[in-house]
Parts: sequence; structure tokens; C-alpha cells
Amino acid sequence: GNSVTQMEGPVTLSEEAFLTINCTYTATGYPSLFWYVQYPGEGLQLLLKATKADDKGSNKGFEATYRKETTSFHLEKGSVQVSDSAVYFCALSDNYGQNFVFGPGTRLSVLP
Amino acid sequence: NAGVTQTPKFQVLKTGQSMTLQCAQDMNHEYMSWYRQDPGMGLRLIHYSVGAGITDQGEVPNGYNVSRSTTEDFPLRLLSAAPSQTSVYFCASRDLQGAGELFFGEGSRLTVL
Repeated sequence: GNSVTQMEGPVTLSEEAFLTINCTYTATGYPSLFWYVQYPGEGLQLLLKATKADDKGSNKGFEATYRKETTSFHLEKGSVQVSDSAVYFCALSDNYGQNFVFGPGTRLSVLP
Repeated sequence: NAGVTQTPKFQVLKTGQSMTLQCAQDMNHEYMSWYRQDPGMGLRLIHYSVGAGITDQGEVPNGYNVSRSTTEDFPLRLLSAAPSQTSVYFCASRDLQGAGELFFGEGSRLTVL
């Protein structure tokens, strides 16, 4: 079945540091890939997405590239801010079913 | 834009009590779902629906019932609450056309004593 694996957290960084959160997936066909962010006490919000190989999703300084050859969708940001502290979820949706599969989430804490 | 609305935001129940978590969306999405979020377990799918009158089980359906009488509403019922159902519950919806993203409600925190 489909699955998503994320790097274990928590991740603690200083402000302006470079961020990478690794995500790899297993899926049949050509899934769409997503990163969601959850701020404390809130629901999940879409951060970015990519629907086909080599697509790059980007939003709020975050980027992720759909790499089919390595089945990866790593999240990156060049300079994190305290306000980026949240839990980040990698997810996929395949083209045959209706459901999303989520990774376990990675908690990011950014210190001033 | 209301999006996905969940009520109540907080609820405390005693073991054996019943309750319904309400979920409504105003985006005319065919697909609606319920997840539970537990520490260290990520998000787990409870039930989902692809249209009015159609529901199906997800990964952890036991102890929960759902119905979908309208496109807008997808309530989640706990018939006899157990402490193991203490969790944060999220309702989500999406358009099934194309690579539609999943839109989430703000969550309902349930404690069963």
C-alpha cells in the first residue's frame, strides 16, 4: 500500500538557519505530493504541493521538488524564522483512490 | 469564506456517554473525511465519504459511526465513549477532480474520563 516516511523530530534550529525535512514515499502510479503545516492549536493548512515528476512547489519561502527517481519530496527553507515553529506533515494522494496518506509529522522549533 | 467548520472545539465526556461531532463545509466538495490525531501516531483516517449517501471505513473505524445525508454535512458519532477515544479530531474535505488538496477544520479536542 501507499506510505509516507518522514525524518524523525523534533528539529530545533536557530533563526536564519537552513531547514531540510526529508520525506520519501511509496505509491503506485504517479501520486500528487503535499506538505501541510500545523501551528499550535490549529488545523492543518496546505503549505505547498506538486502533481508530477520534477515539479517544484513553493510558498512562504519553503520549497520542495517532486523527485520520482528517488521517490522523495524534501522540504527546504533557506532561512527559518521563529514564526515557522510548527509541525510539518508530508502527504500523498494517489490517482486511483480518494484518500490521503500522511507521514507522522516533524515538529520544528526555531529559537531566536 | 467559512471552509470546513467543526463543532464543538472542546468536549469532556464520561465513559459510556454518546456524542456527535459536527462537520460542515461550504465548498461543495464531494469528499469528506474524519481523522484522529494522537501524539506519536500522526493522523489516522476514521471514516470517509465520496458523496451523499456513500460512506466507507478508514484505518481506525471501530467505535465510530458516520452518515452523509447532504453534501455539506458529515457528522461523526461516538455511541459509547471510551478513554481510548480521547484525541483531537479533524474533519477534512476535498474536490475529487484533479489533484485537489484536503481542507481541514480547526479540530475538536475530546477527553473521555
